[in-house]
Amino acid sequence: ETGVTQSPTHLIKTRGQQVTLRCSSQSGHNTVSWYQQALGQGPQFIFQYYREEENGRGNFPPRFSGLQFPNYSSELNVNALELDDSALYLCASSPDDMGSYEQYFGPGTRLTVT
Amino acid sequence: SQQGEEDPQALSIQEGENATMNCSYKTSINNLQWYRQNSGRGLVHLILIRSNEREKHSGRLRVTLDTSKKSSSLLITASRAADTASYFCATDAGGGATNKLIFGTGTLLAVQP
Repeated sequence: ETGVTQSPTHLIKTRGQQVTLRCSSQSGHNTVSWYQQALGQGPQFIFQYYREEENGRGNFPPRFSGLQFPNYSSELNVNALELDDSALYLCASSPDDMGSYEQYFGPGTRLTVT
Repeated sequence: SQQGEEDPQALSIQEGENATMNCSYKTSINNLQWYRQNSGRGLVHLILIRSNEREKHSGRLRVTLDTSKKSSSLLITASRAADTASYFCATDAGGGATNKLIFGTGTLLAVQP
């Protein structure tokens, strides 16, 4: 157990809809990253938040957005869903100690877009 | 896009045998990490090797890093059925505030009892 939780576990949405995925980080971890993992692929970095500010972004369009809250929870929002957004979405938290690079992953939310 | 590739894509061995997975990457790195994933669930951190290290051990795991060849290998000794999972290497380029991991394509390991 990594101490990182995600909800919901599974989600089915229709193309064009909007979705919010939630993550609860380990206490004391002020950095949270979100990854998208398509079937049969490795995770791809979406963005990272540190103390409620976006702190880096991968090659994803603006319809992917996020929020981080002071209570170590965070959200990933995706607007105008497309079929290719179907994937496992993973959040990962990491401690503030910049000498520690390990990330602690949640179990993921599997999103299916029909 | 993925940082690099892992080889083999899939590996099937008998319990007790050793499993070796290789990872290649494209850019300079600060460190390289190996993660394990069971059945499309969350990833679990296994081991981290820094760019100035050449070999590291943790229990039954041995990782090597060759920065001149931009490659790494993960050796699991005396494998067990419970080692069945997908294994990913991930590189951290560092050099900024963002701790962004770039993952490889993964190796699916099946250990037969």
